[in-house]
Formats: sequence, C-alpha cells, structure tokens
Amino acid sequence: NAGVMQNPRHLVRRRGQEARLRCSPMKGHSHVYWYRQLPEEGLKFMVYLQKENIIDESGMPKERFSAEFPKEGPSILRIQQVVRGDSAAYFCASSPGGNSPLHFGNGTRLTVT
Amino acid sequence: DAKTTQPPSMDCAEGRAANLPCNHSTISGNEYVYWYRQIHSQGPQYIIHGLKNNETNEMASLIITEDRKSSTLILPHATLRDTAVYYCIVRAQTAEGNKLVFGAGTILRVKS
Repeated sequence: NAGVMQNPRHLVRRRGQEARLRCSPMKGHSHVYWYRQLPEEGLKFMVYLQKENIIDESGMPKERFSAEFPKEGPSILRIQQVVRGDSAAYFCASSPGGNSPLHFGNGTRLTVT
Repeated sequence: DAKTTQPPSMDCAEGRAANLPCNHSTISGNEYVYWYRQIHSQGPQYIIHGLKNNETNEMASLIITEDRKSSTLILPHATLRDTAVYYCIVRAQTAEGNKLVFGAGTILRVKS
C-alpha cells in the first residue's frame, strides 16, 4: 500500500506566480490535512478536507490560499501571487477518519525567489 | 484539544532505552495520546497512540498513567537513526476525525 504521495517534491516560483501542490492520500483514506512548516519552525495546521468538503480551515491564511479535494483526483493546495514569506515545506496527511492516526507525505518544499 | 508539555531536549546513549515524558494534565475523557517523530526535514512519522491502556508495537511502547495526566514513550533500544524531534499530541475524537496540533516537541539526540 503506497503511502501519501506529494508532488512536486521541490517547487520554485517567482514572486507573483501561482503555486499548486498536489497530494494523493493513501488508498481508502477520505480525509486529507495540510500543514505548513516555515524554516526552523514547527508544523502548523492549515486545513482539513473530506471528499469535496472543507471541514476545518481555521489555519488557512484568509487571502491567496485555497484548498480542494475533489471527488476524483488528488487534493490541491493552491497559493496565488506567492510572496517570499510563503517559502516553506508543505506537508499533506491522510486518514480513514475516526481515531485512526494521520499518515504524512514527505512534503513539497516551496521556494519563492 | 488539551495541551501537552515536553522537555525541549534529551540525550540517550545508543543501545539504551529512550524514555520520553509528556505531561497532559488537562486531557479529557475522549482524547487519545498520539506520538509522532520528525527526522530532519522529512514528513512526520506516526509512532503509536493510546487512550488509557499501555500500548506496544514494533517501534515503541506507550505507558499512560492511571489518571491519564501523563505518558511516556519508550524506544527500547535507541539507535542513531532515532535522533529526531518527538511530538506528544492529544487529540479529541469526533465521529469524522480531527486535526493534530503539534507543539515544539522533544529533540532526542542518540549518541554513540
């Protein structure tokens, strides 16, 4: 059973461009979570989604950031008009729900130049 | 979710047991204790979780006190590859699931 797959592993964008980060959950997992880790800082929750629904977006910045988890295909974290402060590692996790543990991918490292 | 308190760092000799403490004195009855670790800048790795009984798997053991106000993660024979940041997290359960809130964790350094 493949783990959580994130791509790309590394992404470089210029200021003002858009970044799209993809996450394919583990097979049978319908719950997806996105986290951000700034350099030398801890993991911060961003958003929790189930298929086609956003359940908790309390950690999402109010502007430029959006997330979706469509009925078919991977979950997408989209950052519009990136700024240097968006440079970070973005981790995705999935679970089947309930008290099952979250399983994390190895992240996408976004660098904004 | 209840907050947890962990020591900022610990050292352990290679081959010895590593005992990582966690205080969660405000834990509620429906909250589980989860342990994760993050090695360098990889994704967090799930280790173990429990509600009130002690738990053991191939990676570690989790000892939860009877009053559930604290717990200890035990790595029975630490190796250099166990050097990582270890996170103790309490997580409320709903029928659907819930997010994990990470604190600062404990930096475990395993030394030869």
